Amino acid sequence: NAGVTQTPKFQVLKTGQSMTLQCAQDMNHNSMYWYRQDPGMGLRLIYYSASEGTTDKGEVPNGYNVSRLNKREFSLRLESAAPSQTSVYFCASSSQYQETQYFGPGTRLLVL
Amino acid sequence: KNQVEQSPQSLIILEGKNCTLQCNYTVSPFSNLRWYKQDTGRGPVSLTIMTFSENTKSNGRYTATLDADTKQSSLHITASQLSDSASYICVVTGKAGANNLFFGTGTRLTVIP
Repeated sequence: NAGVTQTPKFQVLKTGQSMTLQCAQDMNHNSMYWYRQDPGMGLRLIYYSASEGTTDKGEVPNGYNVSRLNKREFSLRLESAAPSQTSVYFCASSSQYQETQYFGPGTRLLVL
Repeated sequence: KNQVEQSPQSLIILEGKNCTLQCNYTVSPFSNLRWYKQDTGRGPVSLTIMTFSENTKSNGRYTATLDADTKQSSLHITASQLSDSASYICVVTGKAGANNLFFGTGTRLTVIP
């Protein structure tokens, strides 16, 4: 089992460009999450999907959109990237909402 | 305001020594508390989970304690190894509802030979 996979690993964008971060899990988990991690701030929840077909805003959703494509895949889209979105993005999944989460390796995003 | 605070922010210890990391929280009502280990450049990995009724949980050389009355938890690492160098994150889950996962900012542990 690969667990949680994320693509790409690294990305550099110019302000105003758009991109989609991809996440997939092969553990048959119901819930999936997107976090960003900034120095000194810990992990902050952007969006989550408690179950297939549902998505909800987390603590810092502004500037992002998500799609729960199917049970395995949960993507995060930046429509118009801003330097404030420079961060490391982690996708996670859990068997049920609030259960122990399994994290992907992260995507490092730099917005110039 | 629901918060999770960890101390110290960073810690350097010699290989083979023990250490204790602290987590204080104000989350109420409380469901459970988890400790995660995050190696540099990787995603966090769960170490332990404790519910309200549990006051200790072990995972190999890692032992977590919980005092739900004082809202404090600690993670004790015994006989540290170089591979223990990582950030340790305390995560508190409130009762059911949206946005009820509260993350600490972590303690950065460095084990030196």
